[in-house]
Amino acid sequence: DAKTTQPTSMDCAEGRAANLPCNHSTISGNEYVYWYRQIHSQGPQYIIHGLKNNETNEMASLIITEDRKSSTLILPHATLRDTAVYYCIVRVLVHDMRFGAGTRLTVKP
Amino acid sequence: GAVVSQHPSRVICKSGTSVKIECRSLDFQATTMFWYRQFPKQSLMLMATSNEGSKATYEQGVEKDKFLINHASLTLSTLTVTSAHPEDSSFYICSAPGTGFTSMSYTFGSGTRLTVV
Repeated sequence: DAKTTQPTSMDCAEGRAANLPCNHSTISGNEYVYWYRQIHSQGPQYIIHGLKNNETNEMASLIITEDRKSSTLILPHATLRDTAVYYCIVRVLVHDMRFGAGTRLTVKP
Repeated sequence: GAVVSQHPSRVICKSGTSVKIECRSLDFQATTMFWYRQFPKQSLMLMATSNEGSKATYEQGVEKDKFLINHASLTLSTLTVTSAHPEDSSFYICSAPGTGFTSMSYTFGSGTRLTVV
């Protein structure tokens, strides 16, 4: 499985965009990039996923570089409720999700 | 969207007793479910894959006789922590692949915080 590297922590001002990077330089052609987040003491929540193209949904945007070796999750207008640990996972479809350390995002007023 | 219900949310038990945690898929069927464990300030660690109608697949280092998994129906998987000890105190979370519109993502339960005293 491709390994991912994320910064340990990041801060973001409320109302500003939060850009969370993820490196996955060993990703293979059939592996998707998934993003989940975990708010304290809750189960993880699916955010978005993509293969090659950039993706956007009501929660976030996912920007994947052309070589697919890295990606960025963008929360366009961060709120205090977006404070959580964000996990970038690279995985083939229909396989178990394995979590790394993630990025602890703190949104500050 | 797909919802996974996990019960109980919190449980305290005495050392040596067994605790059962239930994970139900609501309004969808799940032939496969996954069980995770999370210690404080750590990431989720996959414990086992639960397969409906067959034996679970355990990750390396997870004792199958201690963590009994049963997936007897398409909507219910259970994890039983047998002869619990304080070191088994943790946050246990289940998940299932979604269906239809959500088939490419996984839905997680809200977790069970187990405290063994």
